[in-house]
Amino acid sequence: EAGVVQSPRYKIIEKKQPVAFWCNPISGHNTLYWYRQNLGQGPELLIRYENEEAVDDSQLPKDRFSAERLKGVDSTLKIQPAELGDSAVYLCASSADSLLNEKLFFGSGTQLSVL
Amino acid sequence: AQKVTQAQTEISVVEKEDVTLDCVYETRDTTYYLFWYKQPPSGELVFLIRRNSFDEQNEISGRYSWNFQKSTSSFNFTITASQVVDSAVYFCALSERAGNNRKLIWGLGTSLAVNP
Repeated sequence: EAGVVQSPRYKIIEKKQPVAFWCNPISGHNTLYWYRQNLGQGPELLIRYENEEAVDDSQLPKDRFSAERLKGVDSTLKIQPAELGDSAVYLCASSADSLLNEKLFFGSGTQLSVL
Repeated sequence: AQKVTQAQTEISVVEKEDVTLDCVYETRDTTYYLFWYKQPPSGELVFLIRRNSFDEQNEISGRYSWNFQKSTSSFNFTITASQVVDSAVYFCALSERAGNNRKLIWGLGTSLAVNP
């Protein structure tokens, strides 16, 4: 069974440029998460989807970040424009459960460097 | 104050040593869940274990064991006879109620280096 797939694996951009990350969760997993992880830190939730509905986006910086999961399967996270402080690893995860009682399956992440 | 505290930032051991990673949590919820995840150098977080607040039985899985003690709000993780492949960052996490929702709160992680 395929795991959570993310692309690209690495992205280097100049500040003020847009960038997008893509995630395909495990088949059948209705819950999808986008996390940001800074060096030496734990993951920080950006947004959580139940199917196509964003049920928790309280930590998403909405002035420059946006996300979508139009058909309730794969998802895209966008930053426009990127800032130097956005350099981090962006992780996508999925789970079969919507109550955060079950384990999360993570992708390998996208390492973003903003120059 | 951290709700999930992993006091050890970095640990370095020699292969075959036993090592314990500490996790102390804080919650007012009566029904909560605790997790450990491993993040090897490849970057992908891997689930290791889940424990609910009503199950204080310790668990052993091969060289891994977990000690859950509600009295001290701790959920410590021990690796017996460590191996180089155990080198990774280990995260402890707490799932608790937040209003009508649940939140997953992560510790800052403990970086374990197992040297040959």
